Amino acid sequence: QLQLQESGPGLVKPSETLSLTCSVSGGSISRSSYYWGWIRQPPGKGLEWIGGIYYGGSTYYNPSLKSRVTISVDTSKNQFSLKLNSVTAADTAVYYCARLGDTLTGYYYGDYWGQGTLVTVSS
Amino acid sequence: DIQLTQSPSFLSASVGDRVTITCRASQGISSYLAWYQQKPGKAPKVLIYAASTLQSGVPSRFSGSGSGTEFTLTISSLQPEEFATYYCQQHHSYPLTFGGGTKVEIK
Repeated sequence: QLQLQESGPGLVKPSETLSLTCSVSGGSISRSSYYWGWIRQPPGKGLEWIGGIYYGGSTYYNPSLKSRVTISVDTSKNQFSLKLNSVTAADTAVYYCARLGDTLTGYYYGDYWGQGTLVTVSS
Repeated sequence: DIQLTQSPSFLSASVGDRVTITCRASQGISSYLAWYQQKPGKAPKVLIYAASTLQSGVPSRFSGSGSGTEFTLTISSLQPEEFATYYCQQHHSYPLTFGGGTKVEIK
C-alpha cells in the first residue's frame, strides 16, 4: 500500500522559505509514468493545487504561485520536495503531498495523499 | 484557468436521503472531473474520477455523471459517516483546479 508522509517545520517567519518533504513508501517514486504534487488548504477554506513533478523532472506550477515555488524529486531517497519562498501570512495552510496522476491513463487526480502538515507563517 | 462552481455550498440532509451535488466548469472539460470527500482534519479521499468511474473501494451508493461543463455527484442513501465536505476537481488541463466545496450536514 502506497503511503506518503509530509515533513518539515510547522512555523516559518514571514519573508522566509517554506520547505517541505514528502516521503513515499510502499512503492517507488521512480516509476516514470506517475505525477507527484502538492496541494494546500488554508484553515477553514478550500483546496488549492500548488504544482507537481514527473519522474523525469518536468514540473507544472500554479501560475498564482509560480514565481515562488520549486518542486524537486530525489529518487535515491524516494522523496519529493516543495520550496515556497517569500512567504506571508496568506501562505498559512495545511500542505498535502499526493500522487496526482498517471501519464499512462492521462488522468490527474489525487489517489494517494499524505496526512497533511500545518504550516503557520508568523513572526 | 478553469473555474469550478459547486452548488449548493451547504446541504442539510438526513441519514438515508438521496443527495445530489452539482459542479459546473467555466469551459468544457470533457469527462476530466474527480470528486473527493473530506472529513475534518483528514486528507481528501477520491470517490470518482473521469466523471463517472468509481475509485476502487468506494461504495456503489456513490455515483457521478456529466460531461462538458456540468457534472453531478449523487449519494443514493446517505450514511452517518458521509457527513463531510465534498469537492470536485478538474483534471482536463493545468492548473488543476478545485470547486469551492459542498458541506453536507446533519439535518
